[in-house]
Order: sequence, then structure tokens, then C-alpha cells
Amino acid sequence: QLLESGGGWVQPGGSLRLSCAASGFAFSTSAMSWVRQAPGKGLEWVSAISDNSYYRFYADSVKGRFTISRDNFRDTMYLQMNSLRVDDTAIYYCAKGGMALGYSYDSWGEGTLVTVSP
Amino acid sequence: QSALTQPPSASGSPGQSVTISCTGTSRDIGAYNYVSWYQQHPGKAPRLIISEVTKRPSGVPDRFSGSKSDSTASLTVSGLQAEDEADYYCSSFGGNDPYLVFGGGTKLTVL
Repeated sequence: QLLESGGGWVQPGGSLRLSCAASGFAFSTSAMSWVRQAPGKGLEWVSAISDNSYYRFYADSVKGRFTISRDNFRDTMYLQMNSLRVDDTAIYYCAKGGMALGYSYDSWGEGTLVTVSP
Repeated sequence: QSALTQPPSASGSPGQSVTISCTGTSRDIGAYNYVSWYQQHPGKAPRLIISEVTKRPSGVPDRFSGSKSDSTASLTVSGLQAEDEADYYCSSFGGNDPYLVFGGGTKLTVL
């Protein structure tokens, strides 16, 4: 099970930190990702992190502004979002998956809504 | 980082088959057998229905099948049922830059 938290309303230029608490599987050996969905729009991959945090990947749209991290002792993944823009408004999902699953995501959280507006 | 191309809509009657295409490039779908398909009902999180082009996770009906030819992947839903009405998204590994790319989504309507 995956449970996101930390969403909310923030002004442009502001920051938020999202959390994804995992349970029911071996989090420390699982690659994880963040995927977002703007209102009424499609899915957009945002960022991915390997099981040991050695590899981190970002979409061009968030590179330099967002930072993905994880704490394998707390079974939790994070997304630090800085310099937020209006077009970052979306539901942010955490998802379990990566190379071991053929770069697919077999478990998703329910998402947390981030709203960026003046 | 361009999205994969999917038709915005598809439809079929109950019992019929429908195929949804997903077109990429030689750098993503054409280069790797790492195409996935997701089903998303309104207000719900996506659900994995196909991984690695053709693999069905446990619990996914065998009415769902995937295939790939060159840089185009396809999802076929056979024996359409009312509960298949949903949005469907394809994705592909992009070789780390980008790591992953999604299609724009296809809204499947069961007539």
C-alpha cells in the first residue's frame, strides 16, 4: 500500500514536500517514482529513484526544481518541490516499480493534490 | 521529452474487440520491450494491465492483450464489457533520458 501526503495550496515560487509512506512490501529493495496528472489531463512521469538512492531521474519539466529522495528505514519516499509554477498543479501519485518490473508500476497510491495559484 | 501518441478516443459495443495504438520513436518503443499499459477509471489511481509489451499481471483478465511492431505498441480489449469503459495510457522506458514517457491517453467508450 502507498499513501501520499503533503499536498495543498501554495503560491507560485513557493515550496512543498510530498511524502509517500509504503507498507506491505519490501520498500528497501523497490525502485519508486512520482507521476502527476494535471486536472483533466493525462499522466506525466515526474521522477524516479532506485532502491538504494544511487540513481535518480527527473523529467525536463521539473529538473533543477524538484528533488526525489527516500528513507528506507522509514519506508518513505519524498518529493521536495521548489520554485513551484502554476503548471505544476496536479494530483501527484507515488508508484512502485522500475527496472525489475520492466519499467512498469504495479502499485499506486491514491494521490495528493498540489494546487499552485496566486 | 515528447509524449507517446495515442488516439484521444476509441469505442466499441459490448462483446466486440477494440485496439488502441501507441506510437513512439526509435529511442523509446522502437528500442526497448518495456511498454506498459494502464487503465484509469474516473477519480481513481491508474492500474497496471500490461507490462513488458505482452505480460498480464495477476488478476488482469485475458481479454486484455498487448503487442508491438517497430515503434508502435497496441492494446487490444476483446469481449468488451461495460466496466472496460475508462481511460487507457501507454508508457515506455526511454533509455534514461527521458527515463519514462507516457502517452496522452485514450478514452474508451463502451457503446
